Formats: sequence, C-alpha cells, structure tokens
Amino acid sequence: NAGVTQTPKFQVLKTGQSMTLQCAQDMNHEYMSWYRQDPGMGLRLIHYSVGAGITDQGEVPNGYNVSRSTTEDFPLRLLSAAPSQTSVYFCASSYSALAAHGNEQFFGPGTRLTVL
Amino acid sequence: DAKTTQPPSMDCAEGRAANLPCNHSTISGNEYVYWYRQIHSQGPQYIIHGLKNNETNEMASLIITEDRKSSTLILPHATLRDTAVYYCIVRVARSGGSQGNLIFGKGTKLSVKP
Repeated sequence: NAGVTQTPKFQVLKTGQSMTLQCAQDMNHEYMSWYRQDPGMGLRLIHYSVGAGITDQGEVPNGYNVSRSTTEDFPLRLLSAAPSQTSVYFCASSYSALAAHGNEQFFGPGTRLTVL
Repeated sequence: DAKTTQPPSMDCAEGRAANLPCNHSTISGNEYVYWYRQIHSQGPQYIIHGLKNNETNEMASLIITEDRKSSTLILPHATLRDTAVYYCIVRVARSGGSQGNLIFGKGTKLSVKP
C-alpha cells in the first residue's frame, strides 16, 4: 500500500490564482480530512469527509472547497489564493470517524504552499 | 479550542524514559485519549490511544489516571529520532457530526539530547 499520497510537494502561487491540492489513499478508508499548519502552530482542520459524496467544514474552511466523488480521492481547491493561505497542508485518512481501537488516522507527507 | 493542556517543551537524555504529561480535565466518558507525534516537516504519526485502561504497543505506553483527567505518554528508551512535537488529543467515540475529528493543540516539543 502507498498509504496517503499528496501532490504536489511544493507549490508557489500568485494572489488570485486557483489550484487543486490532490490527496489519495489506497486503504479503502471512509474518513478523510484536510489540515493546514502554520509556523509554530498545531494543525487546524479545514474540511473533512465521512464517505464518498459527504463533506463538511472544519475549523477554518473559508477560501477552500472540497469534493469526494470517490472513496480514494479527496482534493482541496483554492479558488482564489491569498497570502494568508501560505501554509503546509496535510491530508489524512482513517477507517472511519469513530475513535475506536485500530482506527488511527494516517497522514500524508504534506504540500508546502506559498502564495505571493 | 483544544481540550487538552500540555507543557510546551521538555528535554530528555538519550536512553532514558521520556514521560510526557497531558491534562484533559473535561474529558467525557465516551472520549478516547490519542497521542500523535510530528517529526520536523513530516506528517503527524499515530502513536497510541486509550479509553480507560493503560495501553502499550511497540512504540510507547499510555498511562491514564483512574479519574481520566490526565494521562502520561511514556517512551521507555528515548532515542535522538524521538525528537518531535507530541500531541495529546481527545476524540469522541461515536458517529455523526464533527465530534470524531482530531483537534490538535500546540503539543509538547520533546528534545532528546545525547
């Protein structure tokens, strides 16, 4: 298994540009989520999904859209990038949203985004 | 807001046990305690989690007090590679809504020194 993969690893955008951060998992996990991490901070939840076709907002959803058309993929879209969205973005997945034994979240390696 | 309180930083000598405390005084009966760590620039890595009983796996041990208001993560023989930020998180064990999400605080930066 490749686990959770994210592309690209690095990206530089200009203010106002749009882009999609890709996230995929091959573990047949129902639950997927996106976090952002700013310098010296913990991770903040942007959006999450408890299954294909179902998405919901996390702590900091403004400026980001998501969709979940398949179990495997959970892309994050920036419609009009702003400097405040400069951050490291992590995608994660787990079997379900339940905090049961064996249901840990697996994280991808991250995408480092700079908006000029 | 995170529902846990952790010291911002700790040091540990290589080869010694690292004991990382976490306070979760408002924990509910259906909430698990999770521990993750993040080595510099990498994605967080799951370590261990528990509900009431103490837990042990190949990475660490988790000691939860009887009243469940605090816990301690123990790395029995810390190595330099254990230098990381350690996050203690409470997570609800039921379906529906956002309660199952992991909410990260700022964690404890553990520095293992030679």
